[in-house]
Amino acid sequence: NAGVTQTPKFQVLKTGQSMTLQCAQDMNHEYMSWYRQDPGMGLRLIHYSVGAGITDQGEVPNGYNVSRSTTEDFPLRLLSAAPSQTSVYFCASSYSGSSSYNEQFFGPGTRLTVL
Amino acid sequence: GQQVMQIPQYQHVQEGEDFTTYCNSSTTLSNIQWYKQRPGGHPVFLIQLVKSGEVKKQKRLTFQFGEAKKNSSLHITATQTTDVGTYFCAGPNSGGYQKVTFGTGTKLQVIP
Repeated sequence: NAGVTQTPKFQVLKTGQSMTLQCAQDMNHEYMSWYRQDPGMGLRLIHYSVGAGITDQGEVPNGYNVSRSTTEDFPLRLLSAAPSQTSVYFCASSYSGSSSYNEQFFGPGTRLTVL
Repeated sequence: GQQVMQIPQYQHVQEGEDFTTYCNSSTTLSNIQWYKQRPGGHPVFLIQLVKSGEVKKQKRLTFQFGEAKKNSSLHITATQTTDVGTYFCAGPNSGGYQKVTFGTGTKLQVIP
């Protein structure tokens, strides 16, 4: 199993450009999440999904869109990139079989710079 | 909203010394998880605690969940250079088990 994969690994954008960060998992996990990581601020939840067709906002959703058409894929779209969105983005997935146990498996991350 | 703070933010220790990081939540947690992130890497799950007052050990690592389920700690005995990284606690907030709030993290540096 590949686990959680993310593409691209690195990306540089100009202010105002749009792009999609890809995330896929092959573990048949229902739960998937997107986080951004900035120095000194830990990981902050952007959007999450509890299953195909179901998404919800996290702590910092502004400027980002998500959709979940399949169990495997959970892309994150930046509509109009801003320098404040320079960050490392992590996608994570977890099993939903038990509501009290939700170990998250993280992808390798995408390092995004917005100029 | 829920806040999860960790102290210290940074810690430098000599190899062989002990290390402890503390995690405090503004709300009661149903469970707490700990993750380790090596420099340049992604977070990796270490453990989950569920019960009030629970203590779990993994070799040199000891994890505790507070009686009030609002705080937790991770203690490493006799640190090694392989322990270098940032340690995060995380807990689900009232929005559901998938809506997880991560702590601010403690970055550990081990001096050989």
